[in-house]
Amino acid sequence: DQQVKQNSPSLSVQEGRISILNCDYTNSMFDYFLWYKKYPAEGPTFLISISSIKDKNEDGRFTVFLNKSAKHLSLHIVPSQPGDSAVYFCAASASSNYQLIWGAGTKLIIKP
Amino acid sequence: NAGVTQTPKFRVLKTGQSMTLLCAQDMNHEYMYWYRQDPGMGLRLIHYSVGEGTTAKGEVPDGYNVSRLKKQNFLLGLESAAPSQTSVYFCASSLSLRGQYFGPGTRLTVT
Repeated sequence: DQQVKQNSPSLSVQEGRISILNCDYTNSMFDYFLWYKKYPAEGPTFLISISSIKDKNEDGRFTVFLNKSAKHLSLHIVPSQPGDSAVYFCAASASSNYQLIWGAGTKLIIKP
Repeated sequence: NAGVTQTPKFRVLKTGQSMTLLCAQDMNHEYMYWYRQDPGMGLRLIHYSVGEGTTAKGEVPDGYNVSRLKKQNFLLGLESAAPSQTSVYFCASSLSLRGQYFGPGTRLTVT
């Protein structure tokens, strides 16, 4: 039973355009959401997060949107750059425990 | 400041052999975690620790043991390796649940 789902295994976007990565969750107890970026042969690195009390959080080129009623969040990257090519993981947690539940990841490819 | 380091980077074991993976962090973080990542799946938590001398089970703890004798180190042990434990293992540490810092991973193959 996957509590966090990233339904697109891969996404290809032209350099300079917007990349939109999606994530759905099923557990209504989740109240904190994170996005991580992972390059091959490296560990994931933290990118951006959002609390359930907000519906948007922005950090430079990266914006995360949260739609609690739809149990959906998305990561927008504008403009997309070649260095953004990586696997992006969505993760969620409930404040009642220490565990992060991870999606399977979406491989983003930025085309020149 | 090395962050989170993992030893070894690669290992091949035969079924039934044992080994220990070492994770070290120099950021004075209280929380440490061991994850495994398998193809087509997200990271799954094996065990975690909320401080020196404490450990707790995560989502997939069977076949693994851990110890946190020193704050900066978190060891993951496989007592009797099985092919199902072939995976990439990541260690992470954090001040809180927000923003875990990850090591580079250990690629383990069990034949």
